[in-house]
Amino acid sequence: SQQGEEDPQALSIQEGENATMNCSYKTSINNLQWYRQNSGRGLVHLILIRSNEREKHSGRLRVTLDTSKKSSSLLITASRAADTASYFCLIQGAQKLVFGQGTRLTINP
Amino acid sequence: EAGVAQSPRYKIIEKRQSVAFWCNPISGHATLYWYQQILGQGPKLLIQFQNNGVVDDSQLPKDRFSAERLKGVDSTLKIQPAKLEDSAVYLCASSSRTGGIEKLFFGSGTQLSVL
Repeated sequence: SQQGEEDPQALSIQEGENATMNCSYKTSINNLQWYRQNSGRGLVHLILIRSNEREKHSGRLRVTLDTSKKSSSLLITASRAADTASYFCLIQGAQKLVFGQGTRLTINP
Repeated sequence: EAGVAQSPRYKIIEKRQSVAFWCNPISGHATLYWYQQILGQGPKLLIQFQNNGVVDDSQLPKDRFSAERLKGVDSTLKIQPAKLEDSAVYLCASSSRTGGIEKLFFGSGTQLSVL
């Protein structure tokens, strides 16, 4: 199975702080994507990192990938109240797309 | 570009009743997915279509769930009869594939409550 496991399950920080969440997987991947889900809404694509890349940036987002450890991290810098949401990694292998269980992020004002 | 449309937004039914969900993907997207998301969990793939053919339905409870994608565009997901454990959000997504990468676009989902 390529099921992704995310940690922490929940994270609560103060506005302005950085938030880091992690995703681990079990088999080889083609790429790994991160999605955000606001309460009661569908998922929105944030950023993608290919298996041959180690780090990607997009605005306040930084994602890293360590294929030797089969893990990825998503860093959100200078968090804002609007970043409150659930974050999911999506693992794309040769055959399947599999979501992790998600990290629930709460930004406190 | 219009997004993925889903309806209804909410549905409440009693167990053993039937229910149907509808999805209209982004124009031109050949791949369509139905996911089940139980509260506090990640989305679980129920079925994946490529045009009007089924690519993966290995996790679809076929004794009660069915799905079709007529003419490779709109899709419907049906549950008959519903059970209490079917209470979840049902998400539809479509994807474009560029350079071997699938990027998913999601609808807002249908929240199903089975009483």
